[in-house]
Amino acid sequence: DTEVTQTPKHLVMGMTNKKSLKCEQHMGHRAMYWYKQKAKKPPELMFVYSYEKLSINESVPSRFSPECPNSSLLNLHLHALQPEDSALYLCASSQQGLMTEAFFGQGTRLTVV
Amino acid sequence: DAKTTQPPSMDCAEGRAANLPCNHSTISGNEYVYWYRQIHSQGPQYIIHGLKNNETNEMASLIITEDRKSSTLILPHATLRDTAVYYCIVTGQQTGANNLFFGTGTRLTVIP
Repeated sequence: DTEVTQTPKHLVMGMTNKKSLKCEQHMGHRAMYWYKQKAKKPPELMFVYSYEKLSINESVPSRFSPECPNSSLLNLHLHALQPEDSALYLCASSQQGLMTEAFFGQGTRLTVV
Repeated sequence: DAKTTQPPSMDCAEGRAANLPCNHSTISGNEYVYWYRQIHSQGPQYIIHGLKNNETNEMASLIITEDRKSSTLILPHATLRDTAVYYCIVTGQQTGANNLFFGTGTRLTVIP
């Protein structure tokens, strides 16, 4: 199984809502990532988890709150988002410490209204 | 900041080889060159990576110049399904192997 599964595929939320994006992999990868991609732009790294601990936060606003409850799951909790946060949110996973490939999910397309 | 420079777009005739260039003149000795592609509305897909030797797999070939300041991704027989944005990324253990900082990429259009 070389799949990274993201749910939901699409999400529309109001600016006062709280929602969560979920990401799951069963490849035994101990590094997991969140990326944000605006339309017609490249993906931008947001967070990196290594062995279930947050290792990198690329100056992401606190309205985005990541969580890694176990080695297979990665969540992104959303609260009080702005319309400009509308984007494709991509999850990825990889082996830790090796120069190998990252596997990406298909993303969650988020619209903030 | 991305460490690579790629042409914004390229066309290739179906069945012909697609040669996608990438400049990475500031690459350091322990950094690798990775290529990913992103087909419209999908997540990026790994293609190939290399350090200094040329590499080939079932998807593509990677040619890295001797000074390592540039590389070329070769898709030997492009098909319509190869239409995508291709990203050349330089990364290494110090950056975090898969902490990928994407540049703007090359939009490859394969023409029937």
